[in-house]
Amino acid sequence: DMKVTQMPRYLIKRMGENVLLECGQDMSHETMYWYRQDPGLGLQLIYISYDVDSNSEGDIPKGYRVSRKKREHFSLILDSAKTNQTSVYFCASRGQFSGNTLYFGEGSRLIVV
Amino acid sequence: GQQVQQSPTSLVLQEGENAELQCNFSTSLNSMQWFYQRPGGSLISVFYNPSGTKQSGRLTSTTVIKERRSSLHISSSQITDSGTYLCAPPSGQKLVFGQGTILKVYL
Repeated sequence: DMKVTQMPRYLIKRMGENVLLECGQDMSHETMYWYRQDPGLGLQLIYISYDVDSNSEGDIPKGYRVSRKKREHFSLILDSAKTNQTSVYFCASRGQFSGNTLYFGEGSRLIVV
Repeated sequence: GQQVQQSPTSLVLQEGENAELQCNFSTSLNSMQWFYQRPGGSLISVFYNPSGTKQSGRLTSTTVIKERRSSLHISSSQITDSGTYLCAPPSGQKLVFGQGTILKVYL
């Protein structure tokens, strides 16, 4: 079953707390992405991972870091969350043999207060 | 980098009418993806179209690389077509997303 799973789906954190968003995929895709989506700004790329321990900054990496220790799993970490990181975060994956199609998770809605 | 402009920003149709969504991009590319996002939901790929015209049911995508544009045509729209349609041309390994066209179909 081709699926990208994000946890948690909803999260409320206080400013300064750490946040861990997790993403898993069951398609053995090499490439995984973290995007955030905000009204009026669309989808912005935070980080891209080409495979295990092969990560690259996207367009807005500041304030975020990622971890990919297994091909199926890609984490987004916010150390000391800020209110402007309130957003919906989407994980996506793409495989060499999946026709270049991007598969998205359901999103993680983060509110930082 | 790649710049993407989608039009119209929003569109309201009565069920049964056709819709034409446009996507213009700034730099040459070799493919285009269109995504559908249901309200408050995830994104689903509806087309991966390197060039030319592709059809899937009531949806038709046409990409003209040399003119730097792509379109998505929805025929005989249905209420369940409501949502946001985003085009995403590639920029290397990344996809650059447009702002989207919000489509609302009513009875």
